[in-house]
Amino acid sequence: GAVVSQHPSRVICKSGTSVKIECRSLDFQATTMFWYRQFPKQSLMLMATSNEGSKATYEQGVEKDKFLINHASLTLSTLTVTSAHPEDSSFYICSAREVEARYNSPLHFGNGTRLTVT
Amino acid sequence: DAKTTQPTSMDCAEGRAANLPCNHSTISGNEYVYWYRQIHSQGPQYIIHGLKNNETNEMASLIITEDRKSSTLILPHATLRDTAVYYCIVRVLTNAGGTSYGKLTFGQGTILTVHP
Repeated sequence: GAVVSQHPSRVICKSGTSVKIECRSLDFQATTMFWYRQFPKQSLMLMATSNEGSKATYEQGVEKDKFLINHASLTLSTLTVTSAHPEDSSFYICSAREVEARYNSPLHFGNGTRLTVT
Repeated sequence: DAKTTQPTSMDCAEGRAANLPCNHSTISGNEYVYWYRQIHSQGPQYIIHGLKNNETNEMASLIITEDRKSSTLILPHATLRDTAVYYCIVRVLTNAGGTSYGKLTFGQGTILTVHP
């Protein structure tokens, strides 16, 4: 089956630094990837939609200058949390859809990245 | 996307069928019903989806009412490993230039606890 890999699975960084999270589709090509954030005991919240070769589309209330998304190839999207603060500590999850998939095919999710900002 | 309503939590005995309801009374004709689950500290796992017909796969069955305003996910023989948060999502699939941008909007889901 289609596999989405996220790296790292866990990261701890100091306040004010930036951290990059990678999302890779391992055995398929993905034109569209979605980035979610999940706080403890809450549901997933969509942050942005990332399209290969174009600018990401951010959901309302998500700062595009703070959460930089790059989708430079059909198998890799990255999310960079810039100038991280403790309130950015969260579980970040990506999902991807296959280029050749039928329009109603399900999205595939990565296993998430636990970010802790100290 | 249409909003869904699910019970906050449910219990099920191991080996018994788990029936998880979902209400989506405002669903539109072009919206599919998707079910995902999330085991603690992992990414969501796809289970099943359907439009109007009942569906079955190796994981579960999806029963959609004739008016499409509600559905039920059935795990026929629940195991302890099925303990998770189950999300029912209705998703409109728009196409732009031949590429679907159908994003998934998650609600609060149902916490299913399977006990011995």
